[in-house]
Amino acid sequence: DTAVSQTPKYLVTQMGNDKSIKCEQNLGHDTMYWYKQDSKKFLKIMFSYNNKELIINETVPNRFSPKSPDKAHLNLHINSLELGDSAVYFCASSQDLLAIEQYFGPGTRLTVT
Amino acid sequence: DQQVKQNSPSLSVQEGRISILNCDYTNSMFDYFLWYKKYPAEGPTFLISISSIKDKNEDGRFTVFLNKSAKHLSLHIVPSQPGDSAVYFCAASVAGSARQLTFGSGTQLTVLP
Repeated sequence: DTAVSQTPKYLVTQMGNDKSIKCEQNLGHDTMYWYKQDSKKFLKIMFSYNNKELIINETVPNRFSPKSPDKAHLNLHINSLELGDSAVYFCASSQDLLAIEQYFGPGTRLTVT
Repeated sequence: DQQVKQNSPSLSVQEGRISILNCDYTNSMFDYFLWYKKYPAEGPTFLISISSIKDKNEDGRFTVFLNKSAKHLSLHIVPSQPGDSAVYFCAASVAGSARQLTFGSGTQLTVLP
C-alpha cells in the first residue's frame, strides 16, 4: 500500500517536448514537495505546496509548473525540455508545514535526449 | 554553496562492526537534522532525526550525535548488517514558511558479510 507514488518511474523524451510527472500521497498530509536529484546526487527542493497553495518556489525556471488539483496530488509539468533537465525527480509529503519528517516517493528518472 | 556536506562518498565495514557516517553543516539556523536511507531505484526513507537542542538521539541500532560547536553530526549503526547497505543522506531543516530539507550528497555504505 504505497504512501507516496509517482508516475511514470522512467521518462525518456527529446529536447523541446513537454512532459508531466504525477504524484499522489495517501497519507492525508497537507504539504507536498518536489525535489530534483542532480548528477552530483544532491537532492534540492524545487517547490512546496500546502493545501494546494504554493509555499516555496526555489529559483526554478518557469518552464517548470507545479499543479495541485487537491491536497493529495502534486503534479509537475515541464515545458520545452532541455538536456539539463535530465535528473531524478522526487515527490515528498509531510503532515503539515511544521512537520520535520518528509516521506518520499520512488522517484522519476527523466532523460532528455 | 553546500550548506550540508558529506565528505565521504563511500564507506565499507564488516558485518557486526560499527558504521560511522559523518556530516558537516555551515548554517547555524538549522534546528533539526535528519538521516535518510536510500536503496537503488527507491526514494529516501526517514531513519532518525535530532533537534539542535539535543546532542544525542538513539533508536535501536541507530544513534545520531550532534556537536553544535563543531557543526558536525554523525550516525552510528551498531551492529552493522548487510541489509544496511544503502546510500545515507544527511539533511537539515530550518523553521520558516515551510520546512524544506537541505541534503548532503550522500555516503554509500557497504556492509560486508
